[in-house]
Amino acid sequence: GNSVTQMEGPVTLSEEAFLTINCTYTATGYPSLFWYVQYPGEGLQLLLKATKADDKGSNKGFEATYRKETTSFHLEKGSVQVSDSAVYFCALSDSGGGADGLTFGKGTHLIIQP
Amino acid sequence: DAGITQSPRHKVTETGTPVTLRCHQTENHRYMYWYRQDPGHGLRLIHYSYGVKDTDKGEVSDGYSVSRSKTEDFLLTLESATSSQTSVYFCAISRLGSQETQYFGPGTRLLVL
Repeated sequence: GNSVTQMEGPVTLSEEAFLTINCTYTATGYPSLFWYVQYPGEGLQLLLKATKADDKGSNKGFEATYRKETTSFHLEKGSVQVSDSAVYFCALSDSGGGADGLTFGKGTHLIIQP
Repeated sequence: DAGITQSPRHKVTETGTPVTLRCHQTENHRYMYWYRQDPGHGLRLIHYSYGVKDTDKGEVSDGYSVSRSKTEDFLLTLESATSSQTSVYFCAISRLGSQETQYFGPGTRLLVL
């Protein structure tokens, strides 16, 4: 079956540090890949996505590249801010254009200190 | 903003009582989903719907039922709540033509005593 593995954290960084959150996946088909962010007390917001190999998703200074050869979709940001503190979820959709649910990783809690 | 509301936002109930959570959307989306979020598990799919009266089971459907009699409403029912169903429940929708991308509601925090 499908699965997503990501570091759980918490990951604690200082403001302006470089961020990497690793995500690897297992899927039977050719999945679409996603990063979602959850701020305290809120629902999940789509941060970025990539639908095929070598695609790069980007949003709000965050980037992730779909690497089929390493089955990875690592999230990066060059200079984090305190406002980036949140829980980040990597997810995949393997429904081949259908509407089955997403498979999520367990989430990575990111804490940015001033 | 995908126009999703969930009600109630918080609920405390006792073991053995029935509970119904409501997800309401205002944009006529065909696909709707229910997930639960638990520490150490991320989000897990409970049930989903691909149209009025068309539903299917997800990964953790035991103890839950759903109904969708109107496009805009997707109801999740715990027939007899148990403490293991204490969780945060999220509804999501996806749009026709981009079905793999889901947008989430604000969540319902349920405590079963």
